[in-house]
Amino acid sequence: AQKVTQAQTEISVVEKEDVTLDCVYETRDTTYYLFWYKQPPSGELVFLIRRNSFDEQNEISGRYSWNFQKSTSSFNFTITASQVVDSAVYFCALSYSGAGSYQLTFGKGTKLSVIP
Amino acid sequence: DTEVTQTPKHLVMGMTNKKSLKCEQHMGHRAMYWYKQKAKKPPELMFVYSYEKLSINESVPSRFSPECPNSSLLNLHLHALQPEDSALYLCASSQDIARGTDTQYFGPGTRLTVL
Repeated sequence: AQKVTQAQTEISVVEKEDVTLDCVYETRDTTYYLFWYKQPPSGELVFLIRRNSFDEQNEISGRYSWNFQKSTSSFNFTITASQVVDSAVYFCALSYSGAGSYQLTFGKGTKLSVIP
Repeated sequence: DTEVTQTPKHLVMGMTNKKSLKCEQHMGHRAMYWYKQKAKKPPELMFVYSYEKLSINESVPSRFSPECPNSSLLNLHLHALQPEDSALYLCASSQDIARGTDTQYFGPGTRLTVL
């Protein structure tokens, strides 16, 4: 069974603080793909990153960084020096193969509020 | 260009109305998706089209009827909806459904209210 767990339902931080959003996944597939999406209040799901299971390199993009650890089945997301514009719901998702197609299973999301 | 467009942005309809949601992408993607998202929940997959053919129907009630007129367009026809169908409806597209490396790109959604 495929499952994504985002244990943090809501997080509040003061602007300029660093914050880490946790994501733990379960899958029996040996090859799988992980994603992070951002959903601001406007509603659109914005793609942030995709990580393949065979590539455990961490990635940094500006203030965003991702830590992928297969040993703990985690794919955590850190925002450095948070800004008010980072306020959104963040979803971690796992792409899995089922019935001949790849589908996404989403975690329940973490709502991040950055307070000025 | 990773843009998926959806119209309308907001829709209010009565339970006896017939309306349609529209989605368009010009990225040359061959897979398109409809999701339903209730408040404070993750998106739930409704339908998947691959090469203009319905590939997946996640046991969605028949009052929702999808249509894919061509590879760039995806419609969702609504008829005799219930108030509990009020939600954000998201469209997405990806290069293909058969490759896990393909990213799904989402549109801005249509906020539907059923009175």
